[in-house]
Amino acid sequence: NAGVTQTPKFQVLKTGQSMTLQCAQDMNHNSMYWYRQDPGMGLRLIYYSASEGTTDKGEVPNGYNVSRLNKREFSLRLESAAPSQTSVYFCASLGQGGQPQHFGDGTRLSIL
Amino acid sequence: GENVEQHPSTLSVQEGDSAVIKCTYSDSASNYFPWYKQELGKRPQLIIDIRSNVGEKKDQRIAVTLNKTAKHFSLHITETQPEDSAVYFCAATNDYKLSFGAGTTVTVRA
Repeated sequence: NAGVTQTPKFQVLKTGQSMTLQCAQDMNHNSMYWYRQDPGMGLRLIYYSASEGTTDKGEVPNGYNVSRLNKREFSLRLESAAPSQTSVYFCASLGQGGQPQHFGDGTRLSIL
Repeated sequence: GENVEQHPSTLSVQEGDSAVIKCTYSDSASNYFPWYKQELGKRPQLIIDIRSNVGEKKDQRIAVTLNKTAKHFSLHITETQPEDSAVYFCAATNDYKLSFGAGTTVTVRA
């Protein structure tokens, strides 16, 4: 039982390049989330998907797009990477009834 | 939307002493309050949670208290050990979208 799996774990991009971060969960959870974590700022929600087929903006959506490919997979895309998007990105999932949110191991993204 | 404030931002305690982290929330409809521990370079992991129909919950050396009237909740760690050193986050929600505090860096001194 892998839980939430993110790929890649590390990535370095040049400004203007595009990139898709992948996330998959095997817990049959309905809701999935993308957060970014920056020093001293906690976890900020980028986008979320309450259920398959739906996506909504979170606190910091600018510069990102998402796709809920199916119930298992939720990807995050940077169309034109900027240095301000250098961060650690976490994917998470949540079952119905307020079950605890499970996080992936994170993707450490550096944009030069 | 929900706004969660967390204090202190850093906390240094002597091994064996207690640590207390406090959070306040703004949305009176919030009914689920988890706490996460994040070790350096690792994912946040749930350590304890509490629902709005409960005032206190304990799990070994960790306890969480909730005051719905005042809209605040706290994490208590007793008999701290070096492995308790980490960043701790509180969160609150009334649906499926968690709002997180900014985190508390706890350092346990040997």
